Amino acid sequence: DAEITQSPRHKITETGRQVTLACHQTWNHNNMFWYRQDLGHGLRLIHYSYGVQDTNKGEVSDGYSVSRSNTEDLPLTLESAASSQTSVYFCASSDPSSGGARDTQYFGPGTRLTVL
Amino acid sequence: GQNIDQPTEMTATEGAIVQINCTYQTSGFNGLFWYQQHAGEAPTFLSYNVLDGLEEKGRFSSFLSRSKGYSYLLLKELQMKDSASYLCATPPMGGNTPLVFGKGTRLSVIA
Repeated sequence: DAEITQSPRHKITETGRQVTLACHQTWNHNNMFWYRQDLGHGLRLIHYSYGVQDTNKGEVSDGYSVSRSNTEDLPLTLESAASSQTSVYFCASSDPSSGGARDTQYFGPGTRLTVL
Repeated sequence: GQNIDQPTEMTATEGAIVQINCTYQTSGFNGLFWYQQHAGEAPTFLSYNVLDGLEEKGRFSSFLSRSKGYSYLLLKELQMKDSASYLCATPPMGGNTPLVFGKGTRLSVIA
């Protein structure tokens, strides 16, 4: 079955380290998204991509970067981790060509990141 | 711009009916989504409304009024497993733009 996976599921790192969170989907969706979820803020968009080589900044993109070299993967990199980036990170994908509810996003299981 | 408002918390009794409201302001409109998120899990798609009116799907129904910028999610015959957060979302600029989510309503179902 098609799915969307994230790894690692849990990560503890130190301030200043570079961290990369993986997201892989097998639906062949063009659109992929990264969100962070914090108490009191809900889901906030970090970066998104509408296809290979396309990346766009979201609401809270400072300190994060993404790259899209193929359809299946959108890794999220924290260039120099900060304690403020302790959060739960969700990756999602959608298929804009599917018609109907074309923006329906399907979420991965999440990565809980702790920056000490 | 975009502004999505939902109540922060609600409590309801097992077997009862509960209505979770969502108001939004958008520059364009391309549908209103509801997601369910159990604690510690990923959001999962519940419903999508693009036309005014009520869409029923089993125990869950979703209503939309575009002129009022208003939607609600209606949960009937509440079960303990319905305890979760319910997220309202819409692409504020219309078209193929990212969804913006409300902060979610945490529903507690009690016996």
